[in-house]
Amino acid sequence: SQTIHQWPATLVQPVGSPLSLECTVEGTSNPNLYWYRQAAGRGLQLLFYSVGIGQISSEVPQNLSASRPQDRQFILSSKKLLLSDSGFYLCAWSRESGNQPQHFGDGTRLSIL
Amino acid sequence: AQKVTQAQTEISVVEKEDVTLDCVYETRDTTYYLFWYKQPPSGELVFLIRRNSFDEQNEISGRYSWNFQKSTSSFNFTITASQVVDSAVYFCALSHGSGNTGKLIFGQGTTLQVKP
Repeated sequence: SQTIHQWPATLVQPVGSPLSLECTVEGTSNPNLYWYRQAAGRGLQLLFYSVGIGQISSEVPQNLSASRPQDRQFILSSKKLLLSDSGFYLCAWSRESGNQPQHFGDGTRLSIL
Repeated sequence: AQKVTQAQTEISVVEKEDVTLDCVYETRDTTYYLFWYKQPPSGELVFLIRRNSFDEQNEISGRYSWNFQKSTSSFNFTITASQVVDSAVYFCALSHGSGNTGKLIFGQGTTLQVKP
């Protein structure tokens, strides 16, 4: 069966510090991968998605970036965090063919001080 | 443009009541897919159902049922005999029918509180 791991679960970072959130998927190959952000009490905003190694599409301009160094690894990064980067970050995967359900990790609660 | 609207921000019911969560979507695609997800207080999103635009049959899974009506662009979700464990945020989502990106457009979510 497929599993998705996302860490850390919670993170408190000062403004201006770097960020690295990691997500890995097991039990499947060539998955589509996604990063979402959920602000408190709001819906999900798609940040990045990837259909293959090294292929990253950005949905919104921001100071975040994503990378996919391996088939089942997806990393969300920032060089300098802003207060507005606070939120709940969710990684998800789906089978490579379109319109398959996305399956989500447990999320990372990021607080910027 | 594609859009998903969940007009009900919060719903509160007493245990054993039936409750319907509304979802209205907008799309110009002739082929598309609709989804419902549940987000319990722990935070992870749990996939509940996927429906394609060519299948308007209603679906029932235990206490859950879904009513898809293309004529009104709605995909409503009903929980029968609600339980406290149903308390969560529920999201409706829409995806494109073509390509393999699998991108989803989510509604803003409906927070359901089931009181004992």
